[in-house]
Amino acid sequence: SQKIEQNSEALNIQEGKTATLTCNYTNYSPAYLQWYRQDPGRGPVFLLLIRENEKEKRKERLKVTFDTTLKQSLFHITASQPADSATYLCALGPENAGNMLTFGGGTRLMVKP
Amino acid sequence: KAGVTQTPRYLIKTRGQQVTLSCSPISGHRSVSWYQQTPGQGLQFLFEYFSETQRNKGNFPGRFSGRQFSNSRSEMNVSTLELGDSALYLCASSLAGGAWNEQYFGPGTRLTVT
Repeated sequence: SQKIEQNSEALNIQEGKTATLTCNYTNYSPAYLQWYRQDPGRGPVFLLLIRENEKEKRKERLKVTFDTTLKQSLFHITASQPADSATYLCALGPENAGNMLTFGGGTRLMVKP
Repeated sequence: KAGVTQTPRYLIKTRGQQVTLSCSPISGHRSVSWYQQTPGQGLQFLFEYFSETQRNKGNFPGRFSGRQFSNSRSEMNVSTLELGDSALYLCASSLAGGAWNEQYFGPGTRLTVT
């Protein structure tokens, strides 16, 4: 069955450092991969989308890589700030299934000042 | 532009009852998806509606149903509630269909079944 794994343990880093979060998947051939941020008690907020034929995507301090051979995506936040503390979710979408996204369990990021 | 709104925000129901949750998408968005979020299972896709038609359905029992109106507003219904239905129900809207579209989530409805 399809499986998406994100590090379930919280990631604690110091302010100013680069945070790297991992999303691994099996038994899946996604056409797109999305990353969302979720704060407690709130709905997820879209951050970045990367297509299967793209290796890397950047947006301000965020960078996403997508390796379909390794079946892995890495999400980087450079110069991290305490305000970046949240849970980050990766979501995969196949080519012809509308907006049906399969989400990973999320990784909680804690940035300490 | 107003975001996705969901009503009610909190709901307490008893086992065996039924519940209806409402979602108003961002103006102009035609696709509405519903997700269930629990600590154990995470975010799980329930169904998606596009132009009043259910386009995709997740792996949930038939007790979970939904519909979309001509103004794109959507409702989901859960009948014969079980304790395990306690969850945060999230609605997301997007401009069109396709996983290449970013989805805008509402704040969710927190359902507690006692």
